[in-house]
Amino acid sequence: QKEVEQNSGPLSVPEGAIASLNCTYSDRGSQSFFWYRQYSGKSPELIMSIYSNGDKEDGRFTAQLNKASQYVSLLIRDSQPSDSATYLCAVIKPGGYQKVTFGTGTKLQVIP
Amino acid sequence: DAGVIQSPRHEVTEMGQEVTLRCKPISGHDYLFWYRQTMMRGLELLIYFNNNVPIDDSGMPEDRFSAKMPNASFSTLKIQPSEPRDSAVYFCASSTTGAGYGYTFGSGTRLTVV
Repeated sequence: QKEVEQNSGPLSVPEGAIASLNCTYSDRGSQSFFWYRQYSGKSPELIMSIYSNGDKEDGRFTAQLNKASQYVSLLIRDSQPSDSATYLCAVIKPGGYQKVTFGTGTKLQVIP
Repeated sequence: DAGVIQSPRHEVTEMGQEVTLRCKPISGHDYLFWYRQTMMRGLELLIYFNNNVPIDDSGMPEDRFSAKMPNASFSTLKIQPSEPRDSAVYFCASSTTGAGYGYTFGSGTRLTVV
């Protein structure tokens, strides 16, 4: 089982729709969770972090965490073509200090 | 702040040659990470430093890879000798101690070994 698992996609959504990106992780004691966005040919960019169960909203982005189910998700409301990118889920495992383990990413395509 | 600065942006070298990648972290960040990204394996952590000290190098693939951080503002990743399978994008990232602060990545070095 991969430590951080994501569907590679591509996930295609029409402009203005809600994009839902999902991630599961294997280590139950993980405490810190992140979503990074990576445009083609660019470096990953941190867009959301979440540490406790529930929802965290930032503009059009909402991160959701369910530690019991070991599940993290990212919702993008009112999706725009500029949101087309690969979204990387990342986790700090127990005892990992600042060491982040990344999933392989989900490619999102927003269709105008 | 100029962010994490990596050089060179692109490197093409012949198999067997030595390659040195460079990184300047964000001032004040006490963690520095070297990652490698390929289509097949995604982002893989190679090594990370805390306060210039290597903490975990378990991701360094072979003895051909070495990394140093002589001071808080500079780190190198060296591959000697290079092989075609080392072709990838190498990212440096830095972060600061805290409740799981996320990383700031550099622009990466695209390495091609022919």
